[in-house]
Amino acid sequence: GAVVSQHPSRVICKSGTSVKIECRSLDFQATTMFWYRQFPKQSLMLMATSNEGSKATYEQGVEKDKFLINHASLTLSTLTVTSAHPEDSSFYICSARALRNRSGNTIYFGEGSWLTVV
Amino acid sequence: QKEVEQNSGPLSVPEGAIASLNCTYSDRVSQSFFWYRQYSGKSPELIMSIYSNGDKEDGRFTAQLNKASQYVSLLIRDSQPSDSATYLCAVASSPGGGADGLTFGKGTHLIIQP
Repeated sequence: GAVVSQHPSRVICKSGTSVKIECRSLDFQATTMFWYRQFPKQSLMLMATSNEGSKATYEQGVEKDKFLINHASLTLSTLTVTSAHPEDSSFYICSARALRNRSGNTIYFGEGSWLTVV
Repeated sequence: QKEVEQNSGPLSVPEGAIASLNCTYSDRVSQSFFWYRQYSGKSPELIMSIYSNGDKEDGRFTAQLNKASQYVSLLIRDSQPSDSATYLCAVASSPGGGADGLTFGKGTHLIIQP
C-alpha cells in the first residue's frame, strides 16, 4: 500500500490565491523529502529538497518565496504555492527518504497532486 | 548540469516480445540508477534499481548498467498490454538516491500491441 500520502490529489484555485499541498510518510520517518513538478508530457523536475527542522534547498530557477516548503516533523512536509498563476498549473509530486533501507528502496513517491489555477 | 537522456518514443512492441528501453546520463559520478513506470496522470512507481555494473533481474524485468559508457537499460520480457506506460530513467549521485533527489529523463512512451 501507499507509504507516502499526498493531499489534496486535485485542487483548483483562483489566480492570485495560495494553495497548500501536504506530503506525509505513513509508516516511516523521513528526514528528507523532495518536491517535484511535472508539466504535461515532460519529465519530473526537482524543485526543492526539504529537510526536517531546517530550511529547504531550492533548485536553480525555483522561486523560494513563491513555493514555500515547511518540513516541521519527520512525517510531514508541505508545499505552499503562493499567489498562484495559471502557469503554475502542474502535477506536483513529493517523495520521501526512509531512515532505513526497506526492500532495497529508500525513496518512496506520493500519489501526486494536480493543481489547476484558473 | 546533470542530464538524463531517453528516446521519447513511442516505442511499439508486440505482445509477448521483449521491450528494450535505453537511457544515457551525463554525470560520471552518478551512483544510483532507477527505472520508474508512470501511467498517465499518476505518480511514478519504482520498477528496478541498480547500483553496480552488469545485469540485475527481477521477474520479467532486467536492468543493465554500464558506467563506463554511462548507459543504463531496461528489458521487459514477455511484454503485456498492461506494460504500456511511460518509463522514466532516473539517476542520483548518492547511494540509493537518498541525499540529493533524482534527476529524471523525459521518459519513453511504450506501447504494447495486443
